[in-house]
Amino acid sequence: GENVEQHPSTLSVQEGDSAVIKCTYSDSASNYFPWYKQELGKRPQLIIDIRSNVGEKKDQRIAVTLNKTAKHFSLHITETQPEDSAVYFCAASASKIIFGSGTRLSIRP
Amino acid sequence: DTGVSQNPRHKITKRGQNVTFRCDPISEHNRLYWYRQTLGQGPEFLTYFQNEAQLEKSRLLSDRFSAERPKGSFSTLEIQRTEQGDSAMYLCASSGGLFRDSREYEQYFGPGTRLTVT
Repeated sequence: GENVEQHPSTLSVQEGDSAVIKCTYSDSASNYFPWYKQELGKRPQLIIDIRSNVGEKKDQRIAVTLNKTAKHFSLHITETQPEDSAVYFCAASASKIIFGSGTRLSIRP
Repeated sequence: DTGVSQNPRHKITKRGQNVTFRCDPISEHNRLYWYRQTLGQGPEFLTYFQNEAQLEKSRLLSDRFSAERPKGSFSTLEIQRTEQGDSAMYLCASSGGLFRDSREYEQYFGPGTRLTVT
């Protein structure tokens, strides 16, 4: 069945450094790859997404890359700030969205 | 507030009782999704609707779960004969509309209904 693997499960970086989260997906029909940020007790919030016809997309300090051949996609956060601390979920969609298991990102001051 | 809303926000019920949750999507969205999320896990897909048609159900969704979207607007999720394993956050999301770019696919989540089965 469809599956999305996400690594690492926890990530701690120094404030100002970069953070990278990596995901792989199994359904080759997937054509839409969103990333969500979820703070404790709150709903998932869409932070960036990428369609399968694009290899890279950037929005200020956040960038996503997609390698459809290898079925890999990644989230890059540069110049991390304390407010970036949260759980981040990758996801892949052909029709329904399948989520990864999440990465708990902690930013050390 | 023009976002996705869900009611109730919290529900405590005894094992064996039936519960029903409601989701009101963003008004111009034609797709509506239900997910379940347990602590430390990502949202798990349950089912989704395009307008009033239920297009897909997860194999994880037992016969005790049923969802409806009778007029293509709000949706209800009912769980019959609740079990302790049903305790979770139930999230609703919506997407779609008149966009012809990636915004058509963007799913926006409601605040969720936290179910506790005692």
